[in-house]
Amino acid sequence: QVQLVQSGAEVKKPGASVKVSCRASGYTFIGYDIHWVRQAPGQGLEWMASIIPNTAGAKFAQKFQGRVTMTRDTSISTAYMELNNLGSDDTAVYYCATPYQRDGFDIWGPGTLVTVSS
Amino acid sequence: DIQMTQSPSTLSASVGDRVTITCRASQSVSTWLAWYQQKPGKPPKLLIYKASTLESGVPSRFSGSGSGTEFTLTISSLQPDDFATYYCQHYNSFPYSFGQGTKLEIK
Repeated sequence: QVQLVQSGAEVKKPGASVKVSCRASGYTFIGYDIHWVRQAPGQGLEWMASIIPNTAGAKFAQKFQGRVTMTRDTSISTAYMELNNLGSDDTAVYYCATPYQRDGFDIWGPGTLVTVSS
Repeated sequence: DIQMTQSPSTLSASVGDRVTITCRASQSVSTWLAWYQQKPGKPPKLLIYKASTLESGVPSRFSGSGSGTEFTLTISSLQPDDFATYYCQHYNSFPYSFGQGTKLEIK
């Protein structure tokens, strides 16, 4: 079964960093880009960044440039998104997704809730 | 960066109604556009890609059209399961971006 499995919920203090993982199963990890999308409570979807697992090449939305780091470990089919210098407005559900068989994102992880609170 | 604007933000309709949601891009995205349905507490579900191609398993009452900067998602006859929030997304160039969403409510 093709799926993305994400790490569990996190609670962080302002100024801290968070690292969310996304493990692919049921398909060849290096064959498909991994994208990160976040959703603040009651708000819409926001595309953040993507990584090419084969090369580790990454693309970022301007607002996250310099604050987000995308990495991957191909040996365990896992992508990571690390967001630094967290503020309260980073409280959101963070999703990973991949365009596996379609141009659009047809496979999504379940989401990881990151709460930033003092 | 390409901005995506959906209208309306909220839509009230009844079971059996035909509804249309519009998505406009700030510059041409050709047909590199997807539509998603999202229900509370769940990740988005892909409905349509390449502007008009129906994802496998999605009911045929859903359809998409458009190219360039103007796109529509139409539900021909609303069913109870269709009440959700819908998003468009372009993937023409980085950064990809989503519309702000359209919440489809029961009238």
